[in-house]
Amino acid sequence: DAGITQSPRHKVTETGTPVTLRCHQTENHRYMYWYRQDPGHGLRLIHYSYGVKDTDKGEVSDGYSVSRSKTEDFLLTLESATSSQTSVYFCAIRTERQAGELFFGEGSRLTVL
Amino acid sequence: AQSVTQLDSQVPVFEEAPVELRCNYSSSVSVYLFWYVQYPNQGLQLLLKYLSGSTLVKGINGFEAEFNKSQTSFHLRKPSVHISDTAEYFCAVSHSGGSNYKLTFGKGTLLTVNP
Repeated sequence: DAGITQSPRHKVTETGTPVTLRCHQTENHRYMYWYRQDPGHGLRLIHYSYGVKDTDKGEVSDGYSVSRSKTEDFLLTLESATSSQTSVYFCAIRTERQAGELFFGEGSRLTVL
Repeated sequence: AQSVTQLDSQVPVFEEAPVELRCNYSSSVSVYLFWYVQYPNQGLQLLLKYLSGSTLVKGINGFEAEFNKSQTSFHLRKPSVHISDTAEYFCAVSHSGGSNYKLTFGKGTLLTVNP
């Protein structure tokens, strides 16, 4: 158990509203990631972080921002949600002792109406 | 840049039959390779990984995969599947060097095991 908690687990919102998803880890791992999962697309990297206040874009970062003010929390924000952002969002961490391997949270299902 | 191609989006099999889920990758540098499994309404969990050494890698639940560098493949196999193996399977690749902090995933293969 990598100690990853995502919240909320389910959310329904309307187009144009802001949404923030939270990923919390109980261990002080440096790398944290946000992926989205869509049918036919697998998992695609949105943003990742390699330390407090150190973040970088992934392959599908448009429309998303992230923040990491504490080691244990990595926030994903949709400033103005669109229907194309309806997806399941997964947070992941990379431990220092497992080369390349990621550990995933349970996912957050977001529906934008 | 690296990429992963999972050649089958769906694989239906009967219980106790063998199965192979195919994965090919593209990378200009040495790689680490992974197979993850996702059961319905759950997150992903690691099945097995290739980092170096023996090209035949054994994982959990009786799965194994073989790294073939010349064919840039990492196919997943199980000699006899169970109903409980029904899930989506993802192949993933990362660089093996200092930039091994990003995983690139394939689009997934849905394995359905029928009685």
